[in-house]
Amino acid sequence: EAGVAQSPRYKIIEKRQSVAFWCNPISGHATLYWYQQILGQGPKLLIQFQNNGVVDDSQLPKDRFSAERLKGVDSTLKIQPAKLEDSAVYLCASSLGAGGGEKLFFGSGTQLSVL
Amino acid sequence: KQEVTQIPAALSVPEGENLVLNCSFTDSAIYNLQWFRQDPGKGLTSLLLIQSSQREQTSGRLNASLDKSSGRSTLYIAASQPGDSATYLCAVLDSGYSTLTFGKGTMLLVSP
Repeated sequence: EAGVAQSPRYKIIEKRQSVAFWCNPISGHATLYWYQQILGQGPKLLIQFQNNGVVDDSQLPKDRFSAERLKGVDSTLKIQPAKLEDSAVYLCASSLGAGGGEKLFFGSGTQLSVL
Repeated sequence: KQEVTQIPAALSVPEGENLVLNCSFTDSAIYNLQWFRQDPGKGLTSLLLIQSSQREQTSGRLNASLDKSSGRSTLYIAASQPGDSATYLCAVLDSGYSTLTFGKGTMLLVSP
């Protein structure tokens, strides 16, 4: 079974530039998550989708971050414009069901450096 | 707001030792608790999931316990090996919510 795929693995940009990350969840998984993990911290949820609908985006900085999950499969997360404090690893995860009480499967992440 | 604390932040042990990692959470109204492993430059791998009605879960050399009323969980690793070196994260799912709150993790180094 293929895991959660993310690209790119690394990205270096200058502040005020824009960047996009892509995620393809495990086939058949209804729920998709984007997490932000700052060095030395635990992951923080940015947005959760169930199929192609948003379940929770309460911690997403909507003035600069956006995400979509077209057709309920793969997803993109965009930052525009990027700030220095956005430097982090962006993790995508998926779960089979609605998210409550199920194991999450994580991708390897995209490491973003904003200079 | 749920807060998850993990102690110690880092741990270094010689191969073969049994060890305990600690996790505490402030709001005992949880749905479940998960322990994850994270290798450098990698995503997270779920190790054990304990439902709120359970007291412990075991997988191989790993045993996780949950005391919901006191807001504590422990991850016990028996006969540690260098391959166990990684960061271990604890995460709780609050009742009525669908998001996980993570601790900062314990960085474990097992030396040969």
